[in-house]
Amino acid sequence: KQEVTQIPAALSVPEGENLVLNCSFTDSAIYNLQWFRQDPGKGLTSLLLIQSSQREQTSGRLNASLDKSSGRSTLYIAASQPGDSATYLCAVNSGNTPLVFGKGTRLSVIA
Amino acid sequence: DTAVSQTPKYLVTQMGNDKSIKCEQNLGHDTMYWYKQDSKKFLKIMFSYNNKELIINETVPNRFSPKSPDKAHLNLHINSLELGDSAVYFCASSRGGLTTYEQYFGPGTRLTVT
Repeated sequence: KQEVTQIPAALSVPEGENLVLNCSFTDSAIYNLQWFRQDPGKGLTSLLLIQSSQREQTSGRLNASLDKSSGRSTLYIAASQPGDSATYLCAVNSGNTPLVFGKGTRLSVIA
Repeated sequence: DTAVSQTPKYLVTQMGNDKSIKCEQNLGHDTMYWYKQDSKKFLKIMFSYNNKELIINETVPNRFSPKSPDKAHLNLHINSLELGDSAVYFCASSRGGLTTYEQYFGPGTRLTVT
């Protein structure tokens, strides 16, 4: 059974810092991995989708990497801004099974 | 234009009542989902429909019944509501089946059972 863990559970950084969020999964036989952002009281916004054959994906200041064999993904946020404050969720797709989500990392960027 | 929409946004009701949550997507996607996010913010799949056919039904009480009148809609009906049903329910959709495509989420419906 796939399990997804995100570390740390919460992170607070000063504005302008680069930061890394971590996601690990127990079963490396995945199809893809998706990073989402959730703002308080809001739905999920898809940030990046990495297919199992890819090593990384970039969108603006965000870069997500995937190391399938070791069961890890990272989300790198460059030059963080207060508007980046949100909960970041990692979700793994293992085929014809539902997305399995981690519990998220709550990020606070302090101005 | 809203891609995945849900109504209502908030729902407060008493134990024992029956309620429905509606979901619509205008993305032309084939697959739709219902997720539940509990008080600890843990997000878990409940149901998935592909072209109006149920393809995933996780361990959910049979008081919960999804209905898909067409590809663009997936509604969730809940009978005999219990306190433990209080949560945020998210609808989502994706282009194809489960394996490859990005999922897009609605804004959520916060259900409070008193």
